[in-house]
Amino acid sequence: EADIYQTPRYLVIGTGKKITLECSQTMGHDKMYWYQQDPGMELHLIHYSYGVNSTEKGDLSSESTVSRIRTEHFPLTLESARPSHTSQYLCASSVGGLSPLHFGNGTRLTVT
Amino acid sequence: DAKTTQPPSMDCAEGRAANLPCNHSTISGNEYVYWYRQIHSQGPQYIIHGLKNNETNEMASLIITEDRKSSTLILPHATLRDTAVYYCIVRVERETSGSRLTFGEGTQLTVNP
Repeated sequence: EADIYQTPRYLVIGTGKKITLECSQTMGHDKMYWYQQDPGMELHLIHYSYGVNSTEKGDLSSESTVSRIRTEHFPLTLESARPSHTSQYLCASSVGGLSPLHFGNGTRLTVT
Repeated sequence: DAKTTQPPSMDCAEGRAANLPCNHSTISGNEYVYWYRQIHSQGPQYIIHGLKNNETNEMASLIITEDRKSSTLILPHATLRDTAVYYCIVRVERETSGSRLTFGEGTQLTVNP
């Protein structure tokens, strides 16, 4: 049913590595979002985008960066991963306005 | 956006109705009430939303009090697959900041056989 895809599903990497978490949606949604969620905890918005070439930081400070070169693609990059980045990262999209958000199944990142 | 308060956990017997409450006493006139749920290790799933009238879809019903300070999500015949964390969120679209959802801690619903 979901038309929003995140890869990889799980990732274990060493400290200092550069990584990119992929998020793609096939629904033509203009608005996309990245949330960070620790196990059993709240979701925190870290980045969002209104459309191509538009990106904004969210409510939670994050050392990650995002880009939006194509409508369907909203990758998140960590230049130098640290153990404090260990978390689940959830991508979402919406048509805009008050329409519901559609979420991917997330990437669970572990930095050793 | 207004803050919401939900009980941290609830239990329900399989086949019975699950009634999940949410308080949003500071809600303003143009804020909608949304419900999402998150099954373990998956992304949140949209359930239903409303402004002031009661709403029903294939998943659930949403009852909003007349003063809009609280609401109840009703799963009419809960199944084991409804075990999840349920989030109640109030939300308004802003031109300057876009529509963003703030997820609180939610209610862990456990449906028991």
